[in-house]
Amino acid sequence: DQQVKQNSPSLSVQEGRISILNCDYTNSMFDYFLWYKKYPAEGPTFLISISSIKDKNEDGRFTVFLNKSAKHLSLHIVPSQPGDSAVYFCAASETGGFKTIFGAGTRLFVKA
Amino acid sequence: DGGITQSPKYLFRKEGQNVTLSCEQNLNHDAMYWYRQDPGQGLRLIYYSQIVNDFQKGDIAEGYSVSREKKESFPLTVTSAQKNPTAFYLCASSFGNQETQYFGPGTRLLVL
Repeated sequence: DQQVKQNSPSLSVQEGRISILNCDYTNSMFDYFLWYKKYPAEGPTFLISISSIKDKNEDGRFTVFLNKSAKHLSLHIVPSQPGDSAVYFCAASETGGFKTIFGAGTRLFVKA
Repeated sequence: DGGITQSPKYLFRKEGQNVTLSCEQNLNHDAMYWYRQDPGQGLRLIYYSQIVNDFQKGDIAEGYSVSREKKESFPLTVTSAQKNPTAFYLCASSFGNQETQYFGPGTRLLVL
């Protein structure tokens, strides 16, 4: 039972355009969400997070939106750059729990 | 220079052999984690440890064992009972629950 789902295995975007990566979750107890970025043969690195008390968090070119009623979050990258090409993992956790649940990842290709 | 290291980068295992993957961190993190990544799948939690001398099974602990004798170290042993060990193994650490996890570079385990 996948509690965190990233339904798009891959996404291709032109350089300079917006990249939108989506994530859905099923556990209504999740109250903290993160995005990690991963290059091949490397460990994931933290990108941005959002608490359930917010619906938007912005950090430079990266913005995460949270829609609690739809149990959906998205990562927007504007403008997209070739260096953004990587696999992006959505992750979620709940207060009091100790496990972070990761989605399967979305591979982003940014074409120059 | 703080960080989390894993060794070796590549590891080959013969049938029936136990192998141990190393994970060391100097970030003064209390919590440490082991994940397994298979193609097309997210990161699946094998074991985690909140404090020294304590660890808990994750979602796929069968065929694996860990120890946490020191705060800095959390080695993972892949035993002969793990029938499908070929995967990319990632170690991570954090200050605690719902804190950002910092990942090592990973170890790729292959079966001969």
